[in-house]
Amino acid sequence: QVQLQESGPGLVKPSQTLSLTCTVSGGSISSGGYYWSWIRQHPGKGLEWIGYIYYSGSTYYNPSLKSRVTISVDTSKNQFSLKLSSVTAADTAVYYCARGDQEAFDIWGQGTMVTVSS
Amino acid sequence: QSVLTQPPSASGTPGQRVTISCSGSSSNIGSSTLNWYQQLPGTAPKLLIYSNNQRPSGVPDRFSGSKSGTSASLAISGLQSEDEADYYCAAWDDSLNGWVFGGGTKLTVL
Repeated sequence: QVQLQESGPGLVKPSQTLSLTCTVSGGSISSGGYYWSWIRQHPGKGLEWIGYIYYSGSTYYNPSLKSRVTISVDTSKNQFSLKLSSVTAADTAVYYCARGDQEAFDIWGQGTMVTVSS
Repeated sequence: QSVLTQPPSASGTPGQRVTISCSGSSSNIGSSTLNWYQQLPGTAPKLLIYSNNQRPSGVPDRFSGSKSGTSASLAISGLQSEDEADYYCAAWDDSLNGWVFGGGTKLTVL
């Protein structure tokens, strides 16, 4: 079955760029039909959708984060990535990658905690 | 402040039926299908209900969803201790052009 796994630094300095990668196993990103998303959860808080990418490279971002977010895909590695620039302590959160379609996010990674601190 | 509104907490005793509400607007729940996610402590969210009332394979039929207008609800019947979790509703918002979530409801099984 399809599984997703996030990876990347757990600590990022303020003003720097947060970079995370999601590796997809058990299925191909290129098979189409799904949108590959990033979602975050601030400590003790609810969920916030960051954006998604289609295998073709088409992207859609949360308007509140759009100016700082870039999501890219590498179909050869079956991975997609998140870059969030100019981070502050407010970006400290657990970051999840997830597979979705028009209806819902049906498969989630286990999540990775990213702390923004000097 | 979440776009979708959920009660912060709910509770029930084993065997009881509980419902969790989710309120939105015409740009999200009113024009889109609704999903529910269950997040057990320390784990990633799991899809519980999609398209308002559909259960993915493996989700017990104790869980059911409904939607009317700009509101929706999740019902859990025959409450079990393992149902103790946070529950989130979500929908696409046409005005914001993005997915929006409720603030989550913490369900306690007494």
